[in-house]
Amino acid sequence: NAGVTQTPKFQVLKTGQSMTLQCAQDMNHEYMSWYRQDPGMGLRLIHYSVGAGITDQGEVPNGYNVSRSTTEDFPLRLLSAAPSQTSVYFCASSSNKDRQETQYFGPGTRLLVL
Amino acid sequence: SQKIEQNSEALNIQEGKTATLTCNYTNYSPAYLQWYRQDPGRGPVFLLLIRENEKEKRKERLKVTFDTTLKQSLFHITASQPADSATYLCALGSSNTGKLIFGQGTTLQVKP
Repeated sequence: NAGVTQTPKFQVLKTGQSMTLQCAQDMNHEYMSWYRQDPGMGLRLIHYSVGAGITDQGEVPNGYNVSRSTTEDFPLRLLSAAPSQTSVYFCASSSNKDRQETQYFGPGTRLLVL
Repeated sequence: SQKIEQNSEALNIQEGKTATLTCNYTNYSPAYLQWYRQDPGRGPVFLLLIRENEKEKRKERLKVTFDTTLKQSLFHITASQPADSATYLCALGSSNTGKLIFGQGTTLQVKP
């Protein structure tokens, strides 16, 4: 199993540009989530999904959209990038079999917005 | 609002000693608490989970305690090794939601 994969690894955007951060998992996990990690702030939940077709907002959802058309994929969209969105983004997944407790994280996408 | 605090200063210890990391929280009643390890440029990796009705849990050289009265968890690494050098994150969770609240992490440096 590849686990949780994320692309791209690194991206530079100009203010106002849009992009999609990709996340995929091959563990058949029902629960998937997106976090951002900023220095001194810890990981903060952006959006999450408890299954295909179901998404909900986390702690810091503004400026981000998500969709979950399949169990495997959970893309994160930035519609109009802002410098405040410069961060490291992590996707995670977990299984209902262990009550969604253990989170498996991807390697992260480093985003710089100029 | 909910708040989790971990020592922001790096912890430097000598190889072979026991490292102790602290996680304190306020305004929250978690069903469980987790510890993750994060190496530079990588995603967090799950280490241990301890539930609200458990006092202590061990896994090899790792030990976690959970005091819901003090609202504190201690994470111990015994016989520490340079390979244990990393950032350690604590996270609080509610039952059946999958949503975690993370602390900012403590960086551990084990010197040979």
